Amino acid sequence: DQQVKQNSPSLSVQEGRISILNCDYTNSMFDYFLWYKKYPAEGPTFLISISSIKDKNEDGRFTVFLNKSAKHLSLHIVPSQPGDSAVYFCAATPLAGGGFKTIFGAGTRLFVKA
Amino acid sequence: DADVTQTPRNRITKTGKRIMLECSQTKGHDRMYWYRQDPGLGLRLIYYSFDVKDINKGEISDGYSVSRQAQAKFSLSLESAIPNQTALYFCATSEGTGAANQPQHFGDGTRLSIL
Repeated sequence: DQQVKQNSPSLSVQEGRISILNCDYTNSMFDYFLWYKKYPAEGPTFLISISSIKDKNEDGRFTVFLNKSAKHLSLHIVPSQPGDSAVYFCAATPLAGGGFKTIFGAGTRLFVKA
Repeated sequence: DADVTQTPRNRITKTGKRIMLECSQTKGHDRMYWYRQDPGLGLRLIYYSFDVKDINKGEISDGYSVSRQAQAKFSLSLESAIPNQTALYFCATSEGTGAANQPQHFGDGTRLSIL
């Protein structure tokens, strides 16, 4: 049973437009959420995170929104650039978990067309 | 130079062979992890280590073993490889303090194929 689900395996967006990547979770013990970005032949790299005490966190073109009641988070990229083309992993962890209880989604492959 | 280095990057081997994947880090982190990635399943934790003397099983440790030779080195072994262990393997590190909200830092992965 997947506790963290990214239901869209892929997403295609035109350069300059908004990319919205979605993630749902089932475990109410999760209280910290992270997004990682992965290019081919490289490991995932940390992108942005959010604590459950917030509903929004912004870092430049990247914003993560958290809806605790719906157990849903989303990553918005505005404006999208061709260099954003990558696989994006959503991850969730209980703060008491110490990192080793982090659960990753299956990833969404984003294509940004020039 | 990469902060988290995995060797080899690619490996093809036969069923029943013993294989070791190595990971070294220059980040000075106490915590190290081994994950495998399979299509449609995301990253799943195999083993993790909080320090040299503390090693723990993750979600899918059967068929694997690990060794934490030093703070900077964490190796993963497949004692007798089987085809369903074909996957992309990642090593990761994280700081020990403020643990859960510290992001993990990943190596570039080892693509392992078992025939």
